[in-house]
Amino acid sequence: NAGVTQTPKFQVLKTGQSMTLQCAQDMNHNSMYWYRQDPGMGLRLIYYSASEGTTDKGEVPNGYNVSRLNKREFSLRLESAAPSQTSVYFCASSSKSDFYSNQPQHFGDGTRLSIL
Amino acid sequence: QKEVEQNSGPLSVPEGAIASLNCTYSDRGSQSFFWYRQYSGKSPELIMFIYSNGDKEDGRFTAQLNKASQYVSLLIRDSQPSDSATYLCAVIGDKIIFGKGTRLHILP
Repeated sequence: NAGVTQTPKFQVLKTGQSMTLQCAQDMNHNSMYWYRQDPGMGLRLIYYSASEGTTDKGEVPNGYNVSRLNKREFSLRLESAAPSQTSVYFCASSSKSDFYSNQPQHFGDGTRLSIL
Repeated sequence: QKEVEQNSGPLSVPEGAIASLNCTYSDRGSQSFFWYRQYSGKSPELIMFIYSNGDKEDGRFTAQLNKASQYVSLLIRDSQPSDSATYLCAVIGDKIIFGKGTRLHILP
């Protein structure tokens, strides 16, 4: 069981470069999420998708875009990377469509992104 | 500003003792409460979730919720060195908010 798969695991970018972080889940979950985790800041929600075809902003969406390509895949794009976006990025999924539901979430292994 | 507060630790507990982790939250409308364990360099993994006031037990873990006092706690009985990790509290109200985590160190 793969669960939630993120690629790449590590990436170094220069300021101004763009890139897309990929996430796929094989649990037939409806909802998918992108978080960033910074030292001393905890996990912060960037964007989420309650179902295929829908996306909504989270706590820290500026500088990011997302695409829910299909039920399995949810990508995060940095159009013009900035040093402040250096972080560990986690993708997560849950089975229910209601963002405020009681369903807990499953996390991928993370992408460690450094912006120079 | 809605917040979830946790003592950052480290909390040091002797092996075999009870570890008690606490979390307070500011949003009285919060509905769901989760505890995640995160080993260094790894992703969070769900330990417990609780929705109703009172205690919920699962093996060595007990989650306690008191909505009137706006706190949720996690007790780990018979603590093992493998329990050494950072424990994240997450609260869902009109949005999901994670605490910054408490580092737990079990002393062999």
